Amino acid sequence: GAVVSQHPSWVICKSGTSVKIECRSLDFQATTMFWYRQFPKQSLMLMATSNEGSKATYEQGVEKDKFLINHASLTLSTLTVTSAHPEDSSFYICSATLAGLETQYFGPGTRLLVL
Amino acid sequence: AQTVTQSQPEMSVQEAETVTLSCTYDTSESDYYLFWYKQPPSRQMILVIRQEAYKQQNATENRFSVNFQKAAKSFSLKISDSQLGDAAMYFCAYRSAPDSWGKLQFGAGTQVVVTP
Repeated sequence: GAVVSQHPSWVICKSGTSVKIECRSLDFQATTMFWYRQFPKQSLMLMATSNEGSKATYEQGVEKDKFLINHASLTLSTLTVTSAHPEDSSFYICSATLAGLETQYFGPGTRLLVL
Repeated sequence: AQTVTQSQPEMSVQEAETVTLSCTYDTSESDYYLFWYKQPPSRQMILVIRQEAYKQQNATENRFSVNFQKAAKSFSLKISDSQLGDAAMYFCAYRSAPDSWGKLQFGAGTQVVVTP
């Protein structure tokens, strides 16, 4: 149990375009989902926390207009990178948890390359 | 704010041997959770083990065990009988219990290299 999927697993896009990444909890209802960014050989950096049906809470320094997060249902959260630029190239990971549970379960990640 | 420190960027261990990864954290809270996650080359984050701060007994999961020293704010991971599949980046993480959203604070990670 506690499986989280992400789609796509990798994406290449042109500078200036927008990219949407989906995060789904497959066998549980996730009240809270998290989005992280990870650079090579570095730790995970939390970008934002989203609760179903409410606006996401962004960490300091993360541009909310750049990284749009929607958590429309208890099993789906999306991250849209708007007007992507090469510096947005990174590995994006989502995780999900259920209220009352202390463990976050992670998706397999999405590699984004902006040309 | 809580901080998590992993002071070993890389640890090397031979197959079948034991390796211990260190993790210290800074907090003023008494109720929290600690985790070790493994990130293999696939980059999928995998939960290895978790510890509730209110439990004195150290958590174990098969070949993985922790040494939780609450007063010293230390949470080390021991990997026994190391296997090639244990090669990965290992992250220590802290979660405040009162935090209803359950944010994790990660350490910088320790790369474990397993040699035949």
